[in-house]
Amino acid sequence: EVQLQQSGPELVKPGTSVKISCKTSGFIFTEYTMHWVKQSHGKSLEWIGSINPKNGVTSYNQKFKGKATLPVDKSSSTAYMELRSLTSDDSAVYYCARVDDGYYPYPMDYWGQGTSVTVSS
Amino acid sequence: DIQMTQSPASLSASVGETVTITCGASENIYGALNWYQRKQGKSPQLLIYGATNLADGMSSRFSGSGSGRQYSLKISSLHPDDVATYYCQNVLSTYTFGGGTKLEIK
Repeated sequence: EVQLQQSGPELVKPGTSVKISCKTSGFIFTEYTMHWVKQSHGKSLEWIGSINPKNGVTSYNQKFKGKATLPVDKSSSTAYMELRSLTSDDSAVYYCARVDDGYYPYPMDYWGQGTSVTVSS
Repeated sequence: DIQMTQSPASLSASVGETVTITCGASENIYGALNWYQRKQGKSPQLLIYGATNLADGMSSRFSGSGSGRQYSLKISSLHPDDVATYYCQNVLSTYTFGGGTKLEIK
């Protein structure tokens, strides 16, 4: 069974950083690209970026360059997203999702359960 | 970047009705469009991929159509379980999502 298990909710202070994890199972981690999506309260979904675990190649939404970093740990089949210099605008639910880059048009077919990040002093 | 415009932003319909949600792209996206369903408190779930293909496990009451810049999602014979927010997604450029359509049952 494919599973993407994300880490728990985070309450963090402005100006700090946070690192969210997405532990995967049930598929070969290096055969899929891992994506991250933001959903702010009452707003739509925003694509943050992606990483190919096989070669480490990343792609970012221009809006999130400098804000998000997407490392992976292939040994544990886990994707991470680190967000830096947090402000209240970064308060949101963040999802990881997998994409088979060999399967056009690259649907996000499995998603994590979401991680809530609240930025507050 | 390609912009995606969904309409309506919200929709209320009765059980058994058929509803249509539209998604317009700022330029031709050649069918590179997916639809997702997000129920309250849940993660988004793939509904339609490649504009017209029903994702595994999703009800055949859902269908997608369109080409070029205009796409639509039709939900036939509405069920109470269809209450959700629906999003289109362009994958031709940078995975841009539409603004979402919140569907409620009257």
